Amino acid sequence: SQKIEQNSEALNIQEGKTATLTCNYTNYSPAYLQWYRQDPGRGPVFLLLIRENEKEKRKERLKVTFDTTLKQSLFHITASQPADSATYLCALDSGAGSYQLTFGKGTKLSVIP
Amino acid sequence: DTAVSQTPKYLVTQMGNDKSIKCEQNLGHDTMYWYKQDSKKFLKIMFSYNNKELIINETVPNRFSPKSPDKAHLNLHINSLELGDSAVYFCASSSQGDTQYFGPGTRLTVL
Repeated sequence: SQKIEQNSEALNIQEGKTATLTCNYTNYSPAYLQWYRQDPGRGPVFLLLIRENEKEKRKERLKVTFDTTLKQSLFHITASQPADSATYLCALDSGAGSYQLTFGKGTKLSVIP
Repeated sequence: DTAVSQTPKYLVTQMGNDKSIKCEQNLGHDTMYWYKQDSKKFLKIMFSYNNKELIINETVPNRFSPKSPDKAHLNLHINSLELGDSAVYFCASSSQGDTQYFGPGTRLTVL
């Protein structure tokens, strides 16, 4: 069966350090992978999309890598700040042209001042 | 201007009742979705809908039905509410398979 695993439910990191979050998947052949941020009491907000033929994508302090051989994506936040504290969700397209996304359970990141 | 809006934000109701949650998007997107986020914060797709096709996740009970009066709206009707339906429901929209924009969520509590 298809599975998406985000390796940590929670991750604590010191301000200024780089946070690295992992998303692994099995039995998928996604065309793309997305990362979202969710704050308490709010809906998820899109951060980055990376396609199957892309290795890396950057946006300001954010970097995403996508290794379709390892079936893994890494999400990095450099120079982390307390304002980066949130839950981060990875999502894969469900294929077959449905446009549906399947989400991982998320990693709650806490950046400690 | 809110891109994806939902009403109500909170909904408290008794078991067995029928209720609706409304969703509107002003982004001109052609695809809309409903997600359920349970108490463990796991976000699961329930439906996706565009003007051509409704795709229903197989685990969704048929007490749940989406209704789309037009491209900008996708409402969620729930019949015979059960305790296990308590969750936060999110509406989202996208332009085909592109990134999804989520609404603020509706917290449903069934007593």
